[in-house]
Amino acid sequence: QVQLHESGPGLVKPSETLSLTCTVSNYSISSGYYWGWIRQPPGKGLEWIGSISYSGSTFYNPSLKSRVTISIDTSKNQFSLKLSSVTAADTAVYYCARYLGLFGSWGQGTLVTVSS
Amino acid sequence: QSVLTQPPSVSAAPGQKVTISCSGSSSTVGKNYVSWYQQLPGTAPKLLLYENNKRPSGIPDRFSGSKSGTSATLGITGLQTGDEADYYCGTWDSSLSAYVFGTGTKVTVL
Repeated sequence: QVQLHESGPGLVKPSETLSLTCTVSNYSISSGYYWGWIRQPPGKGLEWIGSISYSGSTFYNPSLKSRVTISIDTSKNQFSLKLSSVTAADTAVYYCARYLGLFGSWGQGTLVTVSS
Repeated sequence: QSVLTQPPSVSAAPGQKVTISCSGSSSTVGKNYVSWYQQLPGTAPKLLLYENNKRPSGIPDRFSGSKSGTSATLGITGLQTGDEADYYCGTWDSSLSAYVFGTGTKVTVL
């Protein structure tokens, strides 16, 4: 059973860059699938941020595209999210997940608060 | 704002049935498979149904899905207190080139 775990700072200052890493266990990410990031502001719904293939092809939510970078490190079995120029509106629980036209396996999520 | 519209809430007594609609467009539900996700309080979402009506291993057949035109529906029969959760539909938007989630529906067991 594949497992995903998000890690990174829980507090980011406005205008700075949010950085998170997702570590995948029990599955080699270089074997296939896409991998994605989803976020959920407190008390609100889900928003897809973007996804990356095992070979590094990316596609992003158009509403966030100018600020998002997703990368993959197959040697560490990890993929990462960078979101620049954050504001309070980026405060959310961030989830990583395995994607193949659907999000079949999810991490437990990590809360990132944007505040000075 | 989401391009997939769901009712904010539905409720029913234990043992009863509820249905949740997911209304989209020709570029979303009308063109692509729909998935459904269950989010129990304080937990990460979990895949409930995929390809409109298929259940992953371990999902009971009390959960069912259908799709017609630009709308999809999730049905839950034999409602249990453990079914109290938020439910989201999701699909690819071929116009936006983005994965989109529904607005979410809270299920309450009376």
